[in-house]
Amino acid sequence: DAKTTQPNSMESNEEEPVHLPCNHSTISGTDYIHWYRQLPSQGPEYVIHGLTSNVNNRMASLAIAEDRKSSTLILHRATLRDAAVYYCILRDGNTDKLIFGTGTRLQVFP
Amino acid sequence: DGGITQSPKYLFRKEGQNVTLSCEQNLNHDAMYWYRQDPGQGLRLIYYSQIVNDFQKGDIAEGYSVSREKKESFPLTVTSAQKNPTAFYLCASSPTGFSGNTIYFGEGSWLTVV
Repeated sequence: DAKTTQPNSMESNEEEPVHLPCNHSTISGTDYIHWYRQLPSQGPEYVIHGLTSNVNNRMASLAIAEDRKSSTLILHRATLRDAAVYYCILRDGNTDKLIFGTGTRLQVFP
Repeated sequence: DGGITQSPKYLFRKEGQNVTLSCEQNLNHDAMYWYRQDPGQGLRLIYYSQIVNDFQKGDIAEGYSVSREKKESFPLTVTSAQKNPTAFYLCASSPTGFSGNTIYFGEGSWLTVV
């Protein structure tokens, strides 16, 4: 199975951009990269996903390296509500298996 | 509204008992998943199913069992063989056939051994 690696924690101040990295050097060609975030004792919430091209939505942007071995979730202006654990997930295109990263705990300071 | 419902939210188990966590979805998804999360830790895959009457072991299947008799239901039984079952359990579902499909998560169930 492909694996993902994320930093354990990151910090940001409010209204500053945040770049959350994820390494997935063993990703296969059909695996999409998904990002979810989780608040304590809640189910993960969808943030964004992509395959090869950079993606933007109202919550965030996803920058995917040209070789697809890494990606970065970009929160353009962090708010206190963005404080959560962010998971980088690979979805195996053949088995539908979801492979979770270790997660990055983001702290946002006012 | 469509979604995933997990029940109960909180469950207490005595030593040596089996307990079953319910996961129901009305999204018409083929794939369903069970994850375990220990406090402060990430999610670990217990079992997953891509289609009715079929399921696959994940990374930590020992001490757990599942069934998939209906498309909308994927119950997880925590057996007495699971020596340390206290954890937060999450169920998820998704369409199959395309790895870009969005994954939907339930709100989770807390299981505590007393």
